[in-house]
Amino acid sequence: GENVEQHPSTLSVQEGDSAVIKCTYSDSASNYFPWYKQELGKRPQLIIDIRSNVGEKKDQRIAVTLNKTAKHFSLHITETQPEDSAVYFCAASRGGGADGLTFGKGTHLIIQP
Amino acid sequence: DSGVTQTPKHLITATGQRVTLRCSPRSGDLSVYWYQQSLDQGLQFLIQYYNGEERAKGNILERFSAQQFPDLHSELNLSSLELGDSALYFCASSVLGAGGQETQYFGPGTRLLVL
Repeated sequence: GENVEQHPSTLSVQEGDSAVIKCTYSDSASNYFPWYKQELGKRPQLIIDIRSNVGEKKDQRIAVTLNKTAKHFSLHITETQPEDSAVYFCAASRGGGADGLTFGKGTHLIIQP
Repeated sequence: DSGVTQTPKHLITATGQRVTLRCSPRSGDLSVYWYQQSLDQGLQFLIQYYNGEERAKGNILERFSAQQFPDLHSELNLSSLELGDSALYFCASSVLGAGGQETQYFGPGTRLLVL
């Protein structure tokens, strides 16, 4: 089955700096890669996703890049703010409505004031 | 608010017991997914139902079962509970978009504590 590795497990950055979280996956048939943000005790919230037919997607301060050859995708957050502090999860699936998400172990992002 | 509802919010029970968790998907979503989140295992996919039928299976134990009813709500049944079953249980629902692409929206979760 699919295996998703996520790094780093903890990331501390100064407010206003950029943060990058990286994930690798093992199943070459995976074609859907969402990122979720989870605050303590709350539900995972989708912040951005990317499909295998594109290499990059942006939404304001958040961007995701995908390298299918290397089976690698990354989350980039620019101009970080205190409210960005949370745990971020990457995930992968074959999509098509017939496959659950395989999640990475999560990255605890800490924004230092 | 994602539009996905789950009940109860919290559940405390004893080892060996059986519990039922309930999920109502967003209006119009036909798929329901169940996930377990624990400190040691992380977020794990358990099982998916689509329009009443089981569609995909993940790391679901034999002691666990699920079903989806005609009104599309789903129930996850956990039996012969063990201490290690203590976790947050999330359901997510999705709708298939153009080209078979889907996005999963998570409910608020049920926190299960087995004593």
